[in-house]
Amino acid sequence: GAVVSQHPSWVICKSGTSVKIECRSLDFQATTMFWYRQFPKQSLMLMATSNEGSKATYEQGVEKDKFLINHASLTLSTLTVTSAHPEDSSFYICSASREDTGELFFGEGSRLTVL
Amino acid sequence: AQSVSQHNHHVILSEAASLELGCNYSYGGTVNLFWYVQYPGQHLQLLLKYFSGDPLVKGIKGFEAEFIKSKFSFNLRKPSVQWSDTAEYFCAVNTGRRALTFGSGTRLQVQP
Repeated sequence: GAVVSQHPSWVICKSGTSVKIECRSLDFQATTMFWYRQFPKQSLMLMATSNEGSKATYEQGVEKDKFLINHASLTLSTLTVTSAHPEDSSFYICSASREDTGELFFGEGSRLTVL
Repeated sequence: AQSVSQHNHHVILSEAASLELGCNYSYGGTVNLFWYVQYPGQHLQLLLKYFSGDPLVKGIKGFEAEFIKSKFSFNLRKPSVQWSDTAEYFCAVNTGRRALTFGSGTRLQVQP
């Protein structure tokens, strides 16, 4: 089946630093990718929709200057958490929409811990 | 805006018991419905999905779900659970090729 890979799978950083998380569709092209955030024992909350070659669409309440999304190619979207703070610690999950079928596939997730 | 409700937050069953997890959604138009499972420490995996056709959908690992349009429901069932079914289960909805809206999840604990 189709594979979506996220890197890094876990990262620990100091408060005030920036962290980049990559989401790659390994064997299909994805015009659209979605970024979710999952707090412990809670559901996934959509943060933004990433469209290849255009600006991301952010959900209400998500700071676009804090969570920078870039979708430079049909197989790669990146999420950069800028000036991270402890409250940004969370599990970030991407999903990619296969261009030909629209089917969604999820990455393994990236656990961010900000000290 | 669409929303998804999962009323069972934590379910504890013994092995071989039958399972039914509730899922209701609110959206007046045509929706696609999904159930995902997240085993401890692993990523989301698709159990089954409904786009159209037969409202009784069979998925992997013996799971099935029934879409009842009049009740806006898509309940997940399994006749006999196993210890390995211990996981978090998420119901999700989308329209077209849009992002999924997830329910709050149900934590299933199966005791041997």
